[in-house]
Amino acid sequence: EAAVTQSPRNKVTVTGGNVTLSCRQTNSHNYMYWYRQDTGHGLRLIHYSYGAGNLQIGDVPDGYKATRTTQEDFFLLLELASPSQTSLYFCASSSGQGNERLFFGHGTKLSVL
Amino acid sequence: GDSVTQMQGQVTLSEDDFLFINCTYSTTWYPTLFWYVQYPGEGPQLLLKVTTANNKGISRGFEATYDKGTTSFHLQKASVQESDSAVYYCVLGEGNMGYKLTFGTGTSLLVDP
Repeated sequence: EAAVTQSPRNKVTVTGGNVTLSCRQTNSHNYMYWYRQDTGHGLRLIHYSYGAGNLQIGDVPDGYKATRTTQEDFFLLLELASPSQTSLYFCASSSGQGNERLFFGHGTKLSVL
Repeated sequence: GDSVTQMQGQVTLSEDDFLFINCTYSTTWYPTLFWYVQYPGEGPQLLLKVTTANNKGISRGFEATYDKGTTSFHLQKASVQESDSAVYYCVLGEGNMGYKLTFGTGTSLLVDP
């Protein structure tokens, strides 16, 4: 079974704070994704990447940066966190070979006070 | 752009009841449609994938099909159990960008013992 590990599991910060969410996959997958999950919206794609050094913009990218440092590691950066970014964040990976299965991590719960 | 509409936000059933969840989709490409399930405290996981209209996907007692004429797809199970309590997402895969998925807003299923 594919493994995707997110850290931290919970994070609290203040408005204007700087936050980095980490994700590592050990499945040799090419594609990695960051989603946010909010009641009434389901999962919305923030950014994704198809390999080290690559970054693609998702559907709700405003206020977020991301970086893919290696095939395994994908980071989500909030440089000036706002209360609207309070959410549950999921990282996922896939082989990316056309409509393939996504493997999700357990999520990071972020609260911006 | 592509979209998915999932109208049933919450469904409450008793054990052995019949489950039916319906979604509609909009895409200009040939769709691949998925159902993902999310248990409390976990990330979503793939339940079913349907690549051809009117063909069934079957897994763990669940069945899924989609109808190109009405651009709808549904998930059903003949007899639900308490362990099926979870959030179910209908998901659309973009035909020419198979690595990008659009999630519905989710249906929270509660099965009373």
